[in-house]
Amino acid sequence: ETGVTQSPTHLIKTRGQQVTLRCSSQSGHNTVSWYQQALGQGPQFIFQYYREEENGRGNFPPRFSGLQFPNYSSELNVNALELDDSALYLCASSLFSRLAGSNEQFFGPGTRLTVL
Amino acid sequence: AQKITQTQPGMFVQEKEAVTLDCTYDTSDQSYGLFWYKQPSSGEMIFLIYQGSYDEQNATEGRYSLNFQKARKSANLVISASQLGDSAMYFCAMREASYGNNRLAFGKGNQVVVIP
Repeated sequence: ETGVTQSPTHLIKTRGQQVTLRCSSQSGHNTVSWYQQALGQGPQFIFQYYREEENGRGNFPPRFSGLQFPNYSSELNVNALELDDSALYLCASSLFSRLAGSNEQFFGPGTRLTVL
Repeated sequence: AQKITQTQPGMFVQEKEAVTLDCTYDTSDQSYGLFWYKQPSSGEMIFLIYQGSYDEQNATEGRYSLNFQKARKSANLVISASQLGDSAMYFCAMREASYGNNRLAFGKGNQVVVIP
């Protein structure tokens, strides 16, 4: 069983540029969530994709956007990068059910983005 | 308002001793789930243990146990027989059923260093 993978592992961009981060979900999972983790903080929920549609969004501006593909892999796009976007971006895949349950999320190793 | 509060400063623990990490949460949902994750310096979030709001017994997973006190809204993690490999950041997180998705709200984390 292949785990969650993310690419690239590290990325350096300059302010104003655009970036695309990629995530391959674990086999059998239908949901991908993206989190931003600033240094010294806990992860913050950006958004979640379920069956190729956005299914929930945190307090992030529209320049953060995403896609989920038929194979359940996903992209996170950030436009007009700002210095505060520097963070570890974590992708998590899960099998979503509206019933109560753990719906455990499996995290990837993250992409560390630095904006100069 | 913070949904998950973790306020302990960094902790040093002697190898083979037990350590308790505090977590309090805030929700008006009746159905929710509480999670603990471990994040080593490599950055990947590793799932440790889950407690559902309707679970009457405290969750246990190997050396990890969760002390769930629903009326106090606390979900403390106990790590027994600490090992050097337990040195990491530990995050408490909550999933609320009312969101209709798998979004997790994380606390700021607890730093644990296990010393020989």
